[in-house]
Parts: sequence; structure tokens; C-alpha cells
Amino acid sequence: NAGVTQTPKFRILKIGQSMTLQCTQDMNHNYMYWYRQDPGMGLKLIYYSVGAGITDKGEVPNGYNVSRSTTEDFPLRLELAAPSQTSVYFCASSYQGEGNEQFFGPGTRLTVL
Amino acid sequence: GQNIDQPTEMTATEGAIVQINCTYQTSGFNGLFWYQQHAGEAPTFLSYNVLDGLEEKGRFSSFLSRSKGYSYLLLKELQMKDSASYLCASMDSNYQLIWGAGTKLIIKP
Repeated sequence: NAGVTQTPKFRILKIGQSMTLQCTQDMNHNYMYWYRQDPGMGLKLIYYSVGAGITDKGEVPNGYNVSRSTTEDFPLRLELAAPSQTSVYFCASSYQGEGNEQFFGPGTRLTVL
Repeated sequence: GQNIDQPTEMTATEGAIVQINCTYQTSGFNGLFWYQQHAGEAPTFLSYNVLDGLEEKGRFSSFLSRSKGYSYLLLKELQMKDSASYLCASMDSNYQLIWGAGTKLIIKP
């Protein structure tokens, strides 16, 4: 099993550009998550999904959109990139409920200039 | 509100023992996780506690006191490869994780 995979690993965007961060998991997990991690800060939840066709906002959703058309894929869309979106983005997945650990992808390091 | 506190940085010596503390305030608490994160890498799961007490896993142990809103991660026989950030996260009533900022552990020879 590949686990959770993310592409790209690195990206530089200009202000106002758009892009999609890809995330795929092959563990048949129903829950998937997008986090951002800024230096010296904890992980902040952007969006999450409890299953195909269902998504919900996390703590910091502004400037982002997601979709979940299949169990495996959970892409994150950035529209009109801003410098404040410079961060490391992690996708994670888990089984539902108490005590189930989240498995993380390797991350995407995004810089907006 | 919901809040997690842990020290920003700790230093320890190879072969020694170190304890990393975490305090939390979480509504509808559903357990406490510890993750390890090496620089430039993704977090990886270390432990989960939902009941009071100590869980031991090899060189790593984790403790939880629900009444005090307190947990610690104990690392024994420290190795240079243990140099990393250690993230404390509590699970709320919606099974979402609330993350601390992480404790950067520096191991010196």
C-alpha cells in the first residue's frame, strides 16, 4: 500500500494564481482531512470529509475549496492565491471515530509570491 | 474554548530520559494523541490514550490524567534519531483533532 500520497511536493505561485493540491489514499479510509502547518504553529484544519460526496469546513477554510467524488481522492483547490497561503499542506486519512490514528501524506510546500 | 499547551523546545542528552508535558482544554474529550514529526517530514503516530494511566510502547510511554487535563510523553534511552518535534493533539466530540504547536526536542551527544 502506498498510504497517503500528495502532489506536488513543492510549488511556487504568483499572487492571484490558482492551483489544485492532489491527495489520494489507498487504505479505504472514509475520513480525509486537509491541514496547513505554519512555522511554530500547530496543524490547522482547513476542510475534512467523512465520506464520498460529503465535505465540511474546518478551522481555516477561507480561500480554499474541496471535493470528494471518490473514497480515494480529496483534492484541495486554492483560488486567487495570497501570500498568507504560504504554508506546508498535509493531507491525512483515517477510519471513523474514537482512537483511530490519522495517516499523513508527505506534504506540499507552497510559496505564494 | 479549546486549547493545547506544550513547551516550545526541550534539550536532553543521548541515553537520558525526557518527559514532554501537554495540557489541554477540549469539549467532549475523546482521547489524546502524540505524534512525532522530523524536520521536513509528515507527522507519524506514536500513541493514543483515552483512559487515565500509563501506556508503554518500547522506549516511549504516554500518560493521561483526564481530571487534570494533562498528558505527558516519556522517552527513555534517548537516541540521536529522537531529535524531532513532538505534537500533542486532543480529540473533541466530533472526532476532530485539536493540535498543539509541538515541542522541538534537541538531543545532544
